[in-house]
Amino acid sequence: AQKVTQAQTEISVVEKEDVTLDCVYETRDTTYYLFWYKQPPSGELVFLIRRNSFDEQNEISGRYSWNFQKSTSSFNFTITASQVVDSAVYFCALSEWGSGANSKLTFGKGITLSVRP
Amino acid sequence: DAGVTQSPTHLIKTRGQQVTLRCSPISGHKSVSWYQQVLGQGPQFIFQYYEKEERGRGNFPDRFSARQFPNYSSELNVNALLLGDSALYLCASSLAWDFTYEQYFGPGTRLTVT
Repeated sequence: AQKVTQAQTEISVVEKEDVTLDCVYETRDTTYYLFWYKQPPSGELVFLIRRNSFDEQNEISGRYSWNFQKSTSSFNFTITASQVVDSAVYFCALSEWGSGANSKLTFGKGITLSVRP
Repeated sequence: DAGVTQSPTHLIKTRGQQVTLRCSPISGHKSVSWYQQVLGQGPQFIFQYYEKEERGRGNFPDRFSARQFPNYSSELNVNALLLGDSALYLCASSLAWDFTYEQYFGPGTRLTVT
């Protein structure tokens, strides 16, 4: 069964600090996909990144970067020089390819990030 | 281009009643999924429809049902409402049927059961 663990529940930082959000996943499949979503106070989930299990390259997009390590089953998300607008709940999610009728997207419980001015 | 839309935005129902939630996907997306998000938790998968066929079902009781129409819009029905059904119900659309592509979420319907 697939599972996503986000052990951190709440993180509070001061603006311009760097912050890393942890994600650990469990899956029996060799082919799977990992995602990060952001849920601002408005409630609508916003897609941030998608990564498949065969691509372990780290990715950087502006102030955001992602570190995917299959050896530790982790897909961590770092925000550099955080801003107040980064305040939101962040979810890591996992889908297993080829699960057929059991195909689904499994979310972690989310990490609430508060960035103080 | 319009994103995923959901209606209504808020709903208050009484225990035992029935409710229907509606979702319109992004144009060109044939996959629609439904999720329940209880306060303080991550979204929980309820159903997925692709090309009007049910492709996946989460661990929810038979009181929950859904369907997809020829224009790919979808409805989620919940019968015999319980207090525990109070949650944010999210709809998402996608290009792929198997969750290998990103899901695009709507703003959600906040259901309160009293």
